[in-house]
Amino acid sequence: EIVLTQSPGTLSLSPGERATLSCRASQSVRSNYLAWYQQKPGQAPRLLIYGASSRATGIPDRFSASGSGTDFTLTISRLEPEDSAVYYCQHYSSPPRTFGQGTKVEIK
Amino acid sequence: EVQVVESGGDLVQPGRSLRLSCAASGFIFEDYAMHWVRQAPGKGLEWVSGITSKSDGVGYWDSVKGRFTISRDNAKNSLYLQMNSLRTEDTALYYCVRGIAVAGLGYFDLWGRGTLVSVSS
Repeated sequence: EIVLTQSPGTLSLSPGERATLSCRASQSVRSNYLAWYQQKPGQAPRLLIYGASSRATGIPDRFSASGSGTDFTLTISRLEPEDSAVYYCQHYSSPPRTFGQGTKVEIK
Repeated sequence: EVQVVESGGDLVQPGRSLRLSCAASGFIFEDYAMHWVRQAPGKGLEWVSGITSKSDGVGYWDSVKGRFTISRDNAKNSLYLQMNSLRTEDTALYYCVRGIAVAGLGYFDLWGRGTLVSVSS
């Protein structure tokens, strides 16, 4: 089983700042089979990124992602108040697919 | 509107059974794998079970194997999760989720609002 570890646990930033979220896998994620989701309070998760770097439909271009192997990054280039949420990574490299524990982004 | 809507969540005692349902609309249901993902109160996300578009393949998280059964009815655009021998640790919000199949697994591109299952004596 691939274990995904996300850091930091919480990120507190001001509007307009850049957020960098990390997702580290316990073993290599083949073919960059990694997705990112955003979950706002009281809402269901929403797909942001798939294939490690491809934005899902309707996702603003201030969200970008990169990485390969065991290290992946989600970047929010200019934070807006509505970006306050928990962000999860998820791999689909080998069964079982698993999620990271999440990074909470707080907007000051 | 493209959506999935869950129902069937309830408060039940340990050892009892519950059946969750998910109604899909706005897309060609039979073209997609479907899944259940759960989230315990204040916790992260956990994939529970998935089923291929034609029901020829199913998968389960280890802790629910032998207790939960996933099924679907493409004629009714519906997904189900039969949950038997429920445990307190099964308490969670259960999301019905549409899967995009990639190399036999894949990611999730459409989520419902969830249905709450509480297991307590």
